[in-house]
Amino acid sequence: SQTIHQWPATLVQPVGSPLSLECTVEGTSNPNLYWYRQAAGRGLQLLFYSVGIGQISSEVPQNLSASRPQDRQFILSSKKLLLSDSGFYLCAWNPGRGLYGYTFGSGTRLTVV
Amino acid sequence: AQSVTQLDSHVSVSEGTPVLLRCNYSSSYSPSLFWYVQHPNKGLQLLLKYTSAATLVKGINGFEAEFKKSETSFHLTKPSAHMSDAAEYFCVVSDQGSSNTGKLIFGQGTTLQVKP
Repeated sequence: SQTIHQWPATLVQPVGSPLSLECTVEGTSNPNLYWYRQAAGRGLQLLFYSVGIGQISSEVPQNLSASRPQDRQFILSSKKLLLSDSGFYLCAWNPGRGLYGYTFGSGTRLTVV
Repeated sequence: AQSVTQLDSHVSVSEGTPVLLRCNYSSSYSPSLFWYVQHPNKGLQLLLKYTSAATLVKGINGFEAEFKKSETSFHLTKPSAHMSDAAEYFCVVSDQGSSNTGKLIFGQGTTLQVKP
């Protein structure tokens, strides 16, 4: 069966520090991968998605970047965190078509101080 | 373009009473629709999905939703609320216009409060 792993679960980082969040999927190949952010009391905002290795699409301009160095690995990064980067970050995957919906990771709570 | 509107940001029910969470969608295509649940500080869990088969869809934990094309609605219901149902619920439509990207469009969420 397929599983998705996301870590760390919680993170407290000072302003201006770098960020690296990792997401991996097991039990499938060539998944579509997604990074979402959920600010406090708000809905989900799609940040990045990837349909293949090295293929990254950005949905909104921001202080973050994403990379997909391997088929089942998706990394969210920042060189210098801002206070506004605080939030709950969710990784998700699907087989490549919208009708399947997503399977989500357990999320990372990022607090920038 | 596809969109989804959750008509209530907050719903409060008493334990043992019915739950109704309302969702309207807009889609130029035959949509795929989903309901997800999120408990505090957790990831999202799929409750149920509609993908052009039966219009009444049954999901986990006693939830169900009915696809009504004439009303462009996909409301989520449960006959009897349980305390453990208290959570955030998201109505979601697939972005069929995005080829194979599989992108989903999320509503803003409805917070369900269950009172003892």
